[in-house]
Amino acid sequence: GAGVSQSPRYKVAKRGQDVALRCDPISGHVSLFWYQQALGQGPEFLTYFQNEAQLDKSGLPSDRFFAERPEGSVSTLKIQRTQQEDSAVYLCASSLDRERPQHFGDGTRLSIL
Amino acid sequence: GESVGLHLPTLSVQEGDNSIINCAYSNSASDYFIWYKQESGKGPQFIIDIRSNMDKRQGQRVTVLLNKTVKHLSLQIAATQPGDSAVYFCAEMWRQAGTALIFGKGTTLSVSS
Repeated sequence: GAGVSQSPRYKVAKRGQDVALRCDPISGHVSLFWYQQALGQGPEFLTYFQNEAQLDKSGLPSDRFFAERPEGSVSTLKIQRTQQEDSAVYLCASSLDRERPQHFGDGTRLSIL
Repeated sequence: GESVGLHLPTLSVQEGDNSIINCAYSNSASDYFIWYKQESGKGPQFIIDIRSNMDKRQGQRVTVLLNKTVKHLSLQIAATQPGDSAVYFCAEMWRQAGTALIFGKGTTLSVSS
């Protein structure tokens, strides 16, 4: 596809469960980003990968959040022992490199019951 | 056309008017800025970007103005159409410090025909 693809589009989980969110970046994009967007707010940065290297994880809210990009392409954001405050839209973005515009997927809407 | 000097959360215009959406950014060291459009249920869509060595950049029907003196960014949309209705976010980046985009407060643009 031409754009960033995220799956699933919607995820409902019970509090305490683990979830995994997937991102397929635009082909050839070196840089990959995860953001969290609360209702009515702008996206907030979580973490950044350059190829397979996670160069910035300063935005991850707790050690329950973990991201990986083992082969420098697809990335997974994992949230362990989910809490209600984790409910949000999780957006993935990719760019050719860190100096170029970031292009976003349509996100995964996560609801924790 | 509709012109707003300060940031307002909503902006209503008539089809065919020119729209101006304003944004105050936070970091005087920021050197890269992007405007995004976000429709309901979708991810932010790249509109136009500008680097700090410029004060104006034009795209198709859109113009971005950057005033570094007062840390102000604006997006002008010419001949606004109903399809322009969405939430608009400005985002800033200080490339020396990292790759995270810092998003401003969004403005909801409503275009009536």
